[in-house]
Amino acid sequence: GENVEQHPSTLSVQEGDSAVIKCTYSDSASNYFPWYKQELGKGPQLIIDIRSNVGEKKDQRIAVTLNKTAKHFSLHITETQPEDSAVYFCAASKAIQGAQKLVFGQGTRLTINP
Amino acid sequence: GAVVSQHPSRVICKSGTSVKIECRSLDFQATTMFWYRQFPKQSLMLMATSNEGSKATYEQGVEKDKFLINHASLTLSTLTVTSAHPEDSSFYICSVLSGGGTDTQYFGPGTRLTVL
Repeated sequence: GENVEQHPSTLSVQEGDSAVIKCTYSDSASNYFPWYKQELGKGPQLIIDIRSNVGEKKDQRIAVTLNKTAKHFSLHITETQPEDSAVYFCAASKAIQGAQKLVFGQGTRLTINP
Repeated sequence: GAVVSQHPSRVICKSGTSVKIECRSLDFQATTMFWYRQFPKQSLMLMATSNEGSKATYEQGVEKDKFLINHASLTLSTLTVTSAHPEDSSFYICSVLSGGGTDTQYFGPGTRLTVL
């Protein structure tokens, strides 16, 4: 089955700097790659996603890139702010019997230092 | 995105009792919902896929008789943890699959279960 590896497990950056989180996946049939932000004690919140027919997607300070050949995708956060501090999860999925099942990475705890 | 609620947000129960957790899709009809479990400082693990009007599909290693799932309507799925034990203490999160042929999942706020 699919296996998603996420790095780093923890990341600390100065406010205003950029943060990059990387994920690799194993199943070349995976075609959907969302990123979620999870604050303490809350459910994951979708922040951006990308599909396999696109190489890059941007939404304000957040961008995601996808390299299908290398089977890796990355989350880029620019001009980081204290409220960006959270745990971020990448995921990969493909349709299995009509349903999309997400396989999550291990998570990255991002800390923005003021 | 979709608005998903869960009830209760926290529950504490005694070992051996059963606990029901509700997941509601508030702004659209969800034929497919998912249940996840998350232990402290770990990732989300899919437990089962809940389909309206049919039996849930459980992931390998998840006991279907212990984690009962009912998806009786297009806006409500329930997870019942039967004969709960301390090792069942965890954060349980549901998600809904957005409609219209897309594959986006929106998550609920989670339920913190503590079994004494």
